[in-house]
Amino acid sequence: QQPVQSPQAVILREGEDAVINCSSSKALYSVHWYRQKHGEAPVFLMILLKGGEQKGHDKISASFNEKKQQSSLYLTASQLSYSGTYFCGTRGDTGTASKLTFGTGTRLQVTL
Amino acid sequence: DTEVTQTPKHLVMGMTNKKSLKCEQHMGHRAMYWYKQKAKKPPELMFVYSYEKLSINESVPSRFSPECPNSSLLNLHLHALQPEDSALYLCASSQDRPSGETQYFGPGTRLLVL
Repeated sequence: QQPVQSPQAVILREGEDAVINCSSSKALYSVHWYRQKHGEAPVFLMILLKGGEQKGHDKISASFNEKKQQSSLYLTASQLSYSGTYFCGTRGDTGTASKLTFGTGTRLQVTL
Repeated sequence: DTEVTQTPKHLVMGMTNKKSLKCEQHMGHRAMYWYKQKAKKPPELMFVYSYEKLSINESVPSRFSPECPNSSLLNLHLHALQPEDSALYLCASSQDRPSGETQYFGPGTRLLVL
Protein backbone atom coordinates (compact mmCIF):
# COMPACT_ATOMS: atom_id res chain seq x y z
CA GLN A 1 0.00 0.00 0.00
CA GLN A 2 3.03 2.22 -0.17
CA PRO A 3 2.55 5.04 -2.71
CA VAL A 4 4.71 4.67 -5.79
CA GLN A 5 6.77 7.61 -6.96
CA SER A 6 8.19 8.22 -10.41
CA PRO A 7 10.78 8.72 -11.58
CA GLN A 8 13.01 6.91 -9.07
CA ALA A 9 15.85 9.29 -9.82
CA VAL A 10 16.48 12.32 -12.00
CA ILE A 11 19.49 14.48 -12.78
CA LEU A 12 18.91 18.08 -13.85
CA ARG A 13 21.05 20.98 -14.86
CA GLU A 14 20.48 24.15 -12.88
CA GLY A 15 17.53 26.04 -14.34
CA GLU A 16 15.74 22.99 -15.74
CA ASP A 17 12.28 21.85 -14.67
CA ALA A 18 11.17 18.54 -13.18
CA VAL A 19 7.96 16.75 -12.29
CA ILE A 20 7.72 14.10 -9.60
CA ASN A 21 4.65 11.90 -9.46
CA CYS A 22 3.08 10.06 -6.56
CA SER A 23 0.45 7.40 -7.13
CA SER A 24 -1.60 5.55 -4.54
CA SER A 25 -3.72 2.41 -4.79
CA LYS A 26 -6.22 3.68 -2.23
CA ALA A 27 -8.46 6.71 -1.79
CA LEU A 28 -6.61 9.68 -0.37
CA TYR A 29 -7.58 12.49 1.92
CA SER A 30 -4.33 14.43 1.79
CA VAL A 31 -0.88 14.36 0.25
CA HIS A 32 2.20 15.77 1.97
CA TRP A 33 5.46 16.52 0.18
CA TYR A 34 8.86 16.44 1.90
CA ARG A 35 12.45 16.89 0.78
CA GLN A 36 15.26 15.10 2.60
CA LYS A 37 18.91 15.89 2.12
CA HIS A 38 21.50 13.24 2.85
CA GLY A 39 21.95 12.72 6.58
CA GLU A 40 19.22 15.20 7.49
CA ALA A 41 15.58 15.07 8.53
CA PRO A 42 12.75 15.35 6.02
CA VAL A 43 11.68 18.97 5.56
CA PHE A 44 8.03 19.77 4.93
CA LEU A 45 7.30 21.41 1.57
CA MET A 46 3.51 21.49 1.27
CA ILE A 47 0.27 19.71 1.97
CA LEU A 48 -2.62 19.21 -0.42
CA LEU A 49 -6.08 18.34 0.78
CA LYS A 50 -8.91 16.57 -0.97
CA GLY A 51 -10.40 18.95 -3.52
CA GLY A 52 -7.86 18.88 -6.35
CA GLU A 53 -6.33 22.18 -5.28
CA GLN A 54 -2.99 23.18 -6.66
CA LYS A 55 -0.61 24.79 -4.21
CA GLY A 56 2.76 26.35 -4.52
CA HIS A 57 5.31 28.74 -3.26
CA ASP A 58 8.27 30.22 -5.04
CA LYS A 59 9.19 27.81 -7.84
CA ILE A 60 7.80 24.64 -6.28
CA SER A 61 4.15 23.76 -6.72
CA ALA A 62 1.99 20.66 -6.54
CA SER A 63 -1.35 19.30 -7.64
CA PHE A 64 -3.63 16.61 -6.24
CA ASN A 65 -6.15 14.62 -8.24
CA GLU A 66 -8.09 12.60 -5.71
CA LYS A 67 -10.09 10.77 -8.38
CA LYS A 68 -6.91 9.36 -9.85
CA GLN A 69 -5.34 9.07 -6.39
CA GLN A 70 -2.32 10.92 -7.70
CA SER A 71 -0.26 13.95 -6.85
CA SER A 72 2.51 15.70 -8.76
CA LEU A 73 5.25 18.00 -7.53
CA TYR A 74 6.51 20.61 -10.01
CA LEU A 75 9.98 22.09 -9.67
CA THR A 76 10.68 24.96 -12.01
CA ALA A 77 14.01 26.66 -12.75
CA SER A 78 15.74 24.21 -10.42
CA GLN A 79 18.50 25.37 -8.10
CA LEU A 80 21.39 23.43 -6.61
CA SER A 81 19.60 23.59 -3.26
CA TYR A 82 16.76 21.49 -4.68
CA SER A 83 18.96 18.39 -4.64
CA GLY A 84 17.78 15.67 -2.30
CA THR A 85 15.26 12.89 -2.03
CA TYR A 86 11.62 13.85 -2.37
CA PHE A 87 8.95 11.85 -0.59
CA CYS A 88 5.22 12.08 -0.84
CA GLY A 89 3.28 11.09 2.24
CA THR A 90 -0.35 10.11 1.97
CA ARG A 91 -3.24 9.93 4.40
CA GLY A 92 -6.31 7.91 3.62
CA ASP A 93 -8.76 9.17 6.24
CA THR A 94 -9.60 12.09 8.48
CA GLY A 95 -8.96 10.35 11.78
CA THR A 96 -6.94 12.24 14.31
CA ALA A 97 -3.22 11.59 14.26
CA SER A 98 -3.78 8.98 11.59
CA LYS A 99 -1.06 7.28 9.70
CA LEU A 100 1.06 9.04 7.08
CA THR A 101 2.46 6.56 4.59
CA PHE A 102 5.54 7.65 2.69
CA GLY A 103 6.11 6.91 -0.97
CA THR A 104 9.09 5.14 -2.48
CA GLY A 105 11.05 8.38 -2.94
CA THR A 106 12.59 10.25 -5.87
CA ARG A 107 16.26 11.17 -5.80
CA LEU A 108 16.87 14.52 -7.47
CA GLN A 109 20.31 15.84 -8.29
CA VAL A 110 20.80 19.32 -9.70
CA THR A 111 24.15 20.03 -11.33
CA LEU A 112 25.82 23.14 -12.70
CA ASP B 1 9.17 28.00 15.71
CA THR B 2 8.87 24.59 14.07
CA GLU B 3 11.68 22.84 15.91
CA VAL B 4 11.72 19.28 17.08
CA THR B 5 14.87 18.29 18.94
CA GLN B 6 16.28 14.81 19.39
CA THR B 7 19.06 13.44 21.55
CA PRO B 8 21.49 11.87 21.15
CA LYS B 9 22.51 12.55 17.55
CA HIS B 10 24.44 9.29 17.35
CA LEU B 11 24.26 6.16 19.45
CA VAL B 12 26.28 2.96 19.37
CA MET B 13 25.04 0.11 21.53
CA GLY B 14 25.60 -3.57 22.05
CA MET B 15 22.84 -6.12 21.82
CA THR B 16 22.60 -6.44 25.60
CA ASN B 17 22.49 -2.71 26.34
CA LYS B 18 19.53 -0.59 27.41
CA LYS B 19 19.39 2.92 26.02
CA SER B 20 16.79 5.63 25.40
CA LEU B 21 16.17 8.13 22.65
CA LYS B 22 14.61 11.45 23.54
CA CYS B 23 12.45 13.82 21.51
CA GLU B 24 11.13 17.23 22.52
CA GLN B 25 8.88 19.86 20.94
CA HIS B 26 7.48 23.13 22.24
CA MET B 27 5.02 23.92 19.47
CA GLY B 28 2.00 22.83 21.47
CA HIS B 29 1.52 19.83 19.21
CA ARG B 30 -0.59 17.04 20.64
CA ALA B 31 0.50 14.24 18.33
CA MET B 32 4.01 12.78 18.31
CA TYR B 33 5.50 10.05 16.18
CA TRP B 34 8.46 7.69 15.98
CA TYR B 35 9.73 6.62 12.56
CA LYS B 36 12.53 4.28 11.55
CA GLN B 37 14.44 4.99 8.34
CA LYS B 38 16.92 2.70 6.65
CA ALA B 39 19.39 4.05 4.10
CA LYS B 40 17.78 5.05 0.79
CA LYS B 41 14.32 4.07 2.05
CA PRO B 42 11.33 6.17 3.15
CA PRO B 43 10.58 6.66 6.84
CA GLU B 44 8.48 3.85 8.30
CA LEU B 45 6.01 4.64 11.04
CA MET B 46 6.57 2.87 14.35
CA PHE B 47 4.35 4.58 16.93
CA VAL B 48 1.89 7.44 17.20
CA TYR B 49 0.93 9.21 20.41
CA SER B 50 -2.14 11.39 20.48
CA TYR B 51 -2.79 13.49 23.57
CA GLU B 52 -0.12 11.49 25.39
CA LYS B 53 -1.80 8.15 24.69
CA LEU B 54 -0.49 5.51 22.35
CA SER B 55 -2.87 5.44 19.39
CA ILE B 56 -0.93 3.50 16.76
CA ASN B 57 1.64 0.72 17.17
CA GLU B 58 2.72 -0.62 13.80
CA SER B 59 3.44 -4.12 15.16
CA VAL B 60 6.83 -3.02 16.43
CA PRO B 61 8.86 -5.64 18.36
CA SER B 62 8.69 -5.28 22.14
CA ARG B 63 12.41 -4.49 22.33
CA PHE B 64 11.25 -0.97 21.36
CA SER B 65 9.20 0.64 24.09
CA PRO B 66 7.76 4.14 23.61
CA GLU B 67 6.84 6.51 26.39
CA CYS B 68 5.18 9.92 26.38
CA PRO B 69 5.72 11.50 29.83
CA ASN B 70 4.00 14.75 28.84
CA SER B 71 2.75 16.59 25.78
CA SER B 72 6.23 17.93 24.91
CA LEU B 73 8.33 14.82 25.40
CA LEU B 74 8.57 11.49 23.67
CA ASN B 75 11.01 8.73 24.56
CA LEU B 76 11.92 5.49 22.86
CA HIS B 77 13.43 2.90 25.18
CA LEU B 78 15.68 0.34 23.54
CA HIS B 79 16.57 -3.07 24.97
CA ALA B 80 18.19 -6.16 23.50
CA LEU B 81 18.29 -4.75 19.98
CA GLN B 82 19.51 -6.61 16.94
CA PRO B 83 22.04 -5.40 14.36
CA GLU B 84 19.22 -5.05 11.82
CA ASP B 85 17.71 -2.37 14.07
CA SER B 86 20.54 -0.06 13.06
CA ALA B 87 18.90 2.90 11.34
CA LEU B 88 18.02 6.57 11.60
CA TYR B 89 15.25 7.07 14.15
CA LEU B 90 13.14 10.13 13.48
CA CYS B 91 10.70 11.84 15.78
CA ALA B 92 7.94 14.06 14.44
CA SER B 93 5.11 16.09 15.87
CA SER B 94 1.93 17.66 14.56
CA GLN B 95 -1.26 19.37 15.54
CA ASP B 96 -3.88 16.73 16.01
CA ARG B 97 -6.76 17.81 13.83
CA PRO B 98 -8.59 16.01 11.06
CA SER B 99 -7.96 18.66 8.42
CA GLY B 100 -4.62 17.15 7.57
CA GLU B 101 -1.89 17.87 10.02
CA THR B 102 1.64 18.73 8.93
CA GLN B 103 4.30 16.63 10.59
CA TYR B 104 7.52 18.36 11.55
CA PHE B 105 10.56 16.14 11.90
CA GLY B 106 13.50 16.27 14.24
CA PRO B 107 17.07 15.73 13.00
CA GLY B 108 17.04 12.09 14.03
CA THR B 109 19.23 9.75 16.05
CA ARG B 110 21.54 7.56 14.02
CA LEU B 111 21.68 4.22 15.82
CA LEU B 112 24.27 1.50 15.32
CA VAL B 113 23.75 -1.84 17.04
CA LEU B 114 26.83 -4.01 17.29
